[in-house]
Amino acid sequence: AIRMTQSPSSFSASTGDRVTITCRASQGISSYLAWYQQKPGKAPKLLIYAASTLQSGVPSRFSGSGSGTDFTLTISCLQSEDFATYYCQQYYSYPSHFGGGTKVEIK
Amino acid sequence: QLQLQESGPGLVKPSETLSLTCTVSGGSISSSSYYWGWIRQPPGKGLEWIGSIYYSGSTYYNPSLKSRVTISVDTSKNQFSLKLSSVTAADTAVYYCASSIQASWFDPWGQGTLVTVSS
Repeated sequence: AIRMTQSPSSFSASTGDRVTITCRASQGISSYLAWYQQKPGKAPKLLIYAASTLQSGVPSRFSGSGSGTDFTLTISCLQSEDFATYYCQQYYSYPSHFGGGTKVEIK
Repeated sequence: QLQLQESGPGLVKPSETLSLTCTVSGGSISSSSYYWGWIRQPPGKGLEWIGSIYYSGSTYYNPSLKSRVTISVDTSKNQFSLKLSSVTAADTAVYYCASSIQASWFDPWGQGTLVTVSS
């Protein structure tokens, strides 16, 4: 099974900051990676698929990059509504594991 | 636009079987484009993929749960279901159903339903 490792697990940032979250796959997954945002008490929301394709309606301050084993999610200018937990997911092969999550908190 | 809604008991006794149903609206569960999945999230923890099913009945399960999980589809009701047997407190979680284009990313998701395992 392909395991997904996110880092950091949590961090604090301020509105306006540029933040980057990393996701590493235990083996190559090409670009078969998605990113989700989850707020407390809500279902995850798809942000990015195919490693770098922005889902319709998602603000352009979100971007994704990477291929193979190393991927990043970047928020170019953090807004108040972006404080949430972010998850990556590989869909290269079953089982389709998620990363452990990265919680972005207000500094 | 696809919408998914989970339903089922919110409380299950230890050693019994957890049963949930996901009702799909706004589209056909028999569409050749979609797979249908179950994901869970224990309180305060991360997301765990449970398994997925294609309308034809082909299933894919998380190896860590495979011996206890059954996912099935009812095309006549536009629903798919999850059964998890021999539950323990560790199975307490919010259970989500979601659609997946060609076994890829999950979108959209249901709102989730909390299932507590307790006597």
